[in-house]
Amino acid sequence: QVQLQQSGPGLVKPSQTLSLTCAISGDSVSNNRAAWNWIRQSPSRGLEWLGRTYYRSNWYNDYAVSVRSRITINPDTSKNQFSLQLNSVIPDDTAVYYCLRDGHDYSNYFFADWGQGTLVTVSS
Amino acid sequence: EIVLTQSPGTLSLSPGESVTLSCRASQSVINKYLAWYQQKPGQAPRLLIGGASSRATGIPDRFSGSGSGTDFTLTISRLEPEDFAVYYCHQYAALPYTFGQGTKLEIK
Repeated sequence: QVQLQQSGPGLVKPSQTLSLTCAISGDSVSNNRAAWNWIRQSPSRGLEWLGRTYYRSNWYNDYAVSVRSRITINPDTSKNQFSLQLNSVIPDDTAVYYCLRDGHDYSNYFFADWGQGTLVTVSS
Repeated sequence: EIVLTQSPGTLSLSPGESVTLSCRASQSVINKYLAWYQQKPGQAPRLLIGGASSRATGIPDRFSGSGSGTDFTLTISRLEPEDFAVYYCHQYAALPYTFGQGTKLEIK
């Protein structure tokens, strides 16, 4: 049973950095069949994929164009977790942020496990 | 970017009825990499279906998915009270991953 536990502040001031962490139990962040994503959800944007990190002999990242200049997703193998940093936030970045593990198992079935979500409000 | 359009936006139904939800993609979803999620208020989405038609672990067989290319459906047979929620389709065939805007099932 894989569980993802999110942590981080729920209030961030405009122009500052949003930082969230997703701690993994039941799997390894270095699993070469999984990817570790960040998604956000807001009434105006719906569900929006932000980016991912994954290990396939090397570490790779992919980011959404909309946030590419401001986002960093990093794995932390020593703590078996991964993180999201979003710089220079604006009120429109206010959303519920989710971490998500997805991939295909050895039978090629798709799997997806979500964190509990963190409401992040950007406000002074 | 693959745009997913779900229809209808809202459905009012009674327990025991059956329903089919639609998800149309702006371009072909390769390998049928299309998933369906259920989301209840205050909760994260829960995976129901992956690969367009494969039920996730623990999902009752009253949930079934089908489709290929640009047209996909989720059918729920014999609605139970706990099935009233919002349903999203999601394509993971091409970056950026995208989601539909959701279909809300409400109790009539």
